[in-house]
Amino acid sequence: GNSVTQMEGPVTLSEEAFLTINCTYTATGYPSLFWYVQYPGEGLQLLLKATKADDKGSNKGFEATYRKETTSFHLEKGSVQVSDSAVYFCALRKGSSNTGKLIFGQGTTLQVKP
Amino acid sequence: DTAVSQTPKYLVTQMGNDKSIKCEQNLGHDTMYWYKQDSKKFLKIMFSYNNKELIINETVPNRFSPKSPDKAHLNLHINSLELGDSAVYFCASSPRTDNYGYTFGSGTRLTVV
Repeated sequence: GNSVTQMEGPVTLSEEAFLTINCTYTATGYPSLFWYVQYPGEGLQLLLKATKADDKGSNKGFEATYRKETTSFHLEKGSVQVSDSAVYFCALRKGSSNTGKLIFGQGTTLQVKP
Repeated sequence: DTAVSQTPKYLVTQMGNDKSIKCEQNLGHDTMYWYKQDSKKFLKIMFSYNNKELIINETVPNRFSPKSPDKAHLNLHINSLELGDSAVYFCASSPRTDNYGYTFGSGTRLTVV
C-alpha cells in the first residue's frame, strides 16, 4: 500500500542553520505530495505541495522538489529561525477523486535554538 | 470566518461516558475527515464522508460513530470512552481532487480519566 517515511527526530539546529528533513514515499503512479507543519498546541497547516514529478513547492523560505526517480520529497530551508520550531509532516494523496486519503509520515520535530 | 472549526477544544471526561465532537467547514468542500493523533504525534485517518456519504471507514472500534447531517458538518460520537481513546482528534476537509491537500481544524484534545 501507499506509505510515507520521514527521518527520525528531533532535529535540533541553531538559528540560521540549513535545514533538511528527508521524506521518501511508496506509491503506485504519481501521488500528490505535501508538507504540513504543526506548531505547538495548534492544528496542521499546509506548508507546500507538488503534484507532479520535478515540481518544486515553496513557501515561507521552505522548498521541496518532487523526485520521482528517488521517490523523495525532502524539505529544505536555507536559514531557520526560532519561530520555525514545530513538527513537520510529509504526506501523499493518491486515489480516485473522492477516496484519495491523505497518508502522513510519522512527523519530525524541529527545535531551533537562538 | 474560521475555515474548519471544531468544538470543544478540550474535553476531559471519565471512563465509560459518551461524548461528541462537532466539526463545521465553510469552504464549500465536498469531503470531510476525522483523524486521530496519538501521543507520539502519529496521524491516522478514521473516517471520511463525501457529501454526507461514508466513503472511508478505517479499522476503528464501533464505539466511534461519525454523523454527517450535511456536507458542511461532520460530528464524531464516542460511546463508552476508554483510557486509550485519549488523543487529539482533528477534523479536516478537502475538495474532491487529489491535487489538493486538506484544511484542518485546530483539534480537540480528549483526555479520559
